[in-house]
Amino acid sequence: DAGITQSPRHKVTETGTPVTLRCHQTENHRYMYWYRQDPGHGLRLIHYSYGVKDTDKGEVSDGYSVSRSKTEDFLLTLESATSSQTSVYFCAIQSTGVGYTFGSGTRLTVV
Amino acid sequence: GEDVEQSLFLSVREGDSSVINCTYTDSSSTYLYWYKQEPGAGLQLLTYIFSNMDMKQDQRLTVLLNKKDKHLSLRIADTQTGDSAIYFCAAITGTASKLTFGTGTRLQVTL
Repeated sequence: DAGITQSPRHKVTETGTPVTLRCHQTENHRYMYWYRQDPGHGLRLIHYSYGVKDTDKGEVSDGYSVSRSKTEDFLLTLESATSSQTSVYFCAIQSTGVGYTFGSGTRLTVV
Repeated sequence: GEDVEQSLFLSVREGDSSVINCTYTDSSSTYLYWYKQEPGAGLQLLTYIFSNMDMKQDQRLTVLLNKKDKHLSLRIADTQTGDSAIYFCAAITGTASKLTFGTGTRLQVTL
């Protein structure tokens, strides 16, 4: 969808294990974002990036880290997964013009 | 920071008009968006309005913005069963163009 893909689409992991989610874009956009979606909360910003190696925290960044070593890839890592991090994770890029384009999402379950 | 609020649920009959409301708090928001999410899918940009506009119409969709009251609405004319989805209001704020989302309004269309 519009040059943005997320992997994996689904993942089940155990509490305490590290998990990395990948977002890949083919459109060379500068800004990339990671959101999580939970019932009753809408989408909340975890981290965002404004260039290679340039990242900053969003409103729910505790327990998450990110890296961006190439323009096209933005990785989200849960260092030690907890059940509260069970969620659907969306990556987004700021498209040319206005608006964001979202990936299809990663459904993560921590058991 | 920005706070965006929406009612959680709206039920309408097929053929009627739907009006989904949203309020936001940051008067410096430049763009305001409506996204649609169908079950199990990502977010699809429906329409947007720039903060210096009062109204925008796009086929069956009409967006109204009351900047004084910080109130945004989305009207869907001739609502169809295919319009059943969750609708998110979102506002752009800050230099990093971060999107802040409302909790989403679930629209149910009945026959």
